[in-house]
Amino acid sequence: NAGVTQTPKFQVLKTGQSMTLQCAQDMNHNSMYWYRQDPGMGLRLIYYSASEGTTDKGEVPNGYNVSRLNKREFSLRLESAAPSQTSVYFCASTPGQAFSGNTIYFGEGSWLTVV
Amino acid sequence: SQQGEEDPQALSIQEGENATMNCSYKTSINNLQWYRQNSGRGLVHLILIRSNEREKHSGRLRVTLDTSKKSSSLLITASRAADTASYFCATDAETSYDKVIFGPGTSLSVIP
Repeated sequence: NAGVTQTPKFQVLKTGQSMTLQCAQDMNHNSMYWYRQDPGMGLRLIYYSASEGTTDKGEVPNGYNVSRLNKREFSLRLESAAPSQTSVYFCASTPGQAFSGNTIYFGEGSWLTVV
Repeated sequence: SQQGEEDPQALSIQEGENATMNCSYKTSINNLQWYRQNSGRGLVHLILIRSNEREKHSGRLRVTLDTSKKSSSLLITASRAADTASYFCATDAETSYDKVIFGPGTSLSVIP
């Protein structure tokens, strides 16, 4: 059972370039999330999707877009990358309703550097 | 400001010792969870404690919750080198259904 799979693992972008981080889960979870992790900041929620066809902004959505392609897949797009978006990105999912004390299952992370 | 704050930021102990880390939060919560992150990996769920619970155990882990003080502690007994990781508390606020807040974490080093 793969759980949450995200790609790519590492990426270097130039300022202004665009890219999409892909995420898929095979646990039949309804809710999916994108977080970023920066030193000393913990994890901050970028966007989440409570169900297929819905997406909502989290704490730090500026500069990002998301697509819930189907129940399994939730992608994160940087349209015009900026150095401030250098971070580690985590995709995650939960069964049932978003949050509500459900265990959050995380992917292995994507290390993004914007130069 | 962040909902959850772990303390200490870093902790170094000898193998076999107990490790205690604390989490403080600001607003009333429904649940508090602890997660572990090994270097270069994703977070893994350790334990959840609900607001009406005071203590939970899971193997060598003991979690307490004091809602009057808005704090929780994670105790790892008889630590092992493999426990070296960062530990995060995550709270879901009673008045908000749209996010779980993670603290900045405690970095634990267990020296063999």
